[in-house]
Amino acid sequence: ETGVTQTPRHLVMGMTNKKSLKCEQHLGHNAMYWYKQSAKKPLELMFVYNFKEQTENNSVPSRFSPECPNSSHLFLHLHTLQPEDSALYLCASSQEPRDDQPQHFGDGTRLSIL
Amino acid sequence: GENVEQHPSTLSVQEGDSAVIKCTYSDSASNYFPWYKQELGKRPQLIIDIRSNVGEKKDQRIAVTLNKTAKHFSLHITETQPEDSAVYFCAFGGTSYGKLTFGQGTILTVHP
Repeated sequence: ETGVTQTPRHLVMGMTNKKSLKCEQHLGHNAMYWYKQSAKKPLELMFVYNFKEQTENNSVPSRFSPECPNSSHLFLHLHTLQPEDSALYLCASSQEPRDDQPQHFGDGTRLSIL
Repeated sequence: GENVEQHPSTLSVQEGDSAVIKCTYSDSASNYFPWYKQELGKRPQLIIDIRSNVGEKKDQRIAVTLNKTAKHFSLHITETQPEDSAVYFCAFGGTSYGKLTFGQGTILTVHP
């Protein structure tokens, strides 16, 4: 399935760097999500977007800055990250931003902070 | 807050055996219960889901059962195969807008 594509697959950055993660969905969905997946922890929802409008910020530090220019593209801008931010960052989409619909995930970006 | 407990955290079975993973959720208003499979280095993939108006759903070797009174739901895999080895996550849709709550995951290993 190539419905949700994330780039890059792997990213290593220093704490003072600025980088961006990209997500693109080809499913015609209106809702897009960013999740953080750390070892031995449940998936943590970070942000929800409904047709370009942010509908949820799950108490995420400001060093993570999302951007959704249209319903097919989602970015996560990173700056001055901390070592504990190392994780797999997953993008997902669903038809609508409802919690009773299947979410389709990308392969994720494995982020390592030096 | 909303939470879900998933057990066991690891499960090891022999090929051909059955595997059962159970999740207990907190929000009685929940009406959507998906299960995701995540193979090593790959994306979580929806394998089956159930809604609160149904008690059981099957799809070939996998099935999900829901007990709304006890607030738990289970994933059943029969005739397990080595390719079933993965991490399985349960989730439930609560009353929050567009927010699924995920379990901690179960590492399933199927030995040939």
